Amino acid sequence: GAVVSQHPSRVICKSGTSVKIECRSLDFQATTMFWYRQFPKQSLMLMATSNEGSKATYEQGVEKDKFLINHASLTLSTLTVTSAHPEDSSFYICSARVGLKNTEAFFGQGTRLTVV
Amino acid sequence: AQSVAQPEDQVNVAEGNPLTVKCTYSVSGNPYLFWYVQYPNRGLQFLLKYITGDNLVKGSYGFEAEFNKSQTSFHLKKPSALVSDSALYFCAVRDNSGNTPLVFGKGTRLSVIA
Repeated sequence: GAVVSQHPSRVICKSGTSVKIECRSLDFQATTMFWYRQFPKQSLMLMATSNEGSKATYEQGVEKDKFLINHASLTLSTLTVTSAHPEDSSFYICSARVGLKNTEAFFGQGTRLTVV
Repeated sequence: AQSVAQPEDQVNVAEGNPLTVKCTYSVSGNPYLFWYVQYPNRGLQFLLKYITGDNLVKGSYGFEAEFNKSQTSFHLKKPSALVSDSALYFCAVRDNSGNTPLVFGKGTRLSVIA
């Protein structure tokens, strides 16, 4: 199957700093990528849909100025958590889909963010 | 609006016994249904999907799932569980209109006991 690489896998940062998470599709072009957040023992919650070359579409309740998403190329989307706080600590997962219709989504390995 | 329900937080089964992880869904139009597995601190791995055709879908690692339209269910099954199957399982759905994201159930933790 298609490979999605997410980096870093773990990051610890100080409160008030910003953290960038990268999501790359290694062997296919992803016009759309999705960013999810997962709290412990909970499901994945969609944060935003990232479209190459255009602004991301954020889900209700997700602060677009705090979670900056850039999808500058067909193989790379980035999520930047700005001015991070401890409550932003979570597991962030990106996914990309090959094609539009009946294909499964492929997921990155996830990033464990800890804000201290 | 799309939604997925996984009624069981935890499923325990003895190694070698059959396992079932339940999933029901709600979607307007025809559903695309998926099962994913997640190991600790890892991303999701695709197991299988139902798009159209046969209601019984076979996937990775010996898993299968049966699409039941009248009951709006898509239960995950395996005839003989392995200890290595212990993980967190997510059911997901999307409708068939365009580039919509997946909506996930809350997950079911499967524990297979030797």
